Amino acid sequence: DVKVTQSSRYLVKRTGEKVFLECVQDMDHENMFWYRQDPGLGLRLIYFSYDVKMKEKGDIPEGYSVSREKKERFSLILESASTNQTSMYLCASSPPGEYYGYTFGSGTRLTVV
Amino acid sequence: KNQVEQSPQSLIILEGKNCTLQCNYTVSPFSNLRWYKQDTGRGPVSLTIMTFSENTKSNGRYTATLDADTKQSSLHITASQLSDSASYICVVSARNQFYFGTGTSLTVIP
Repeated sequence: DVKVTQSSRYLVKRTGEKVFLECVQDMDHENMFWYRQDPGLGLRLIYFSYDVKMKEKGDIPEGYSVSREKKERFSLILESASTNQTSMYLCASSPPGEYYGYTFGSGTRLTVV
Repeated sequence: KNQVEQSPQSLIILEGKNCTLQCNYTVSPFSNLRWYKQDTGRGPVSLTIMTFSENTKSNGRYTATLDADTKQSSLHITASQLSDSASYICVVSARNQFYFGTGTSLTVIP
């Protein structure tokens, strides 16, 4: 069964901490994405990557960075966590092109206190 | 502006009843439309995908329709079950970009 695995289901971090959210996929997909999901706002794209060591900003990249050193792994980094980054974070992967859609991970519920 | 709007925002129905969720979009040029189901605390899972030439597609008790002329899609759930309680998200793709609706929250009660 193909999978996108996010390392943590729930995280609680303090304001100012550096936070790493890890995502691993086993489908050999080229494309990987990080979204955050907030009530009433839906999914908003933070960063995406179409290849190893490649990254592109999404709609809301401020306060975040990413790393893709290997094809199967895409990490989201919160350099200095703030309370407004409390959210559900979803990682997704897909083959090239539009038809195949995303395979999502189960999400990480991050709370910044 | 490319947008995807879903209605209603939330819905409560009795187990065994049918319901229909709506998705209207202004995304252009249209490539495909996908419905996802997202259980609470989980990631979204694809239910159906529809391309420009498809009017209807079924996946078990889920039937999606597409009217590309009016830019509307619907997801019909037949004989609802408690496990259908979830958020349903409409996603439209165009030029390798994906546009998400904010979802409809469905609650099925016994």
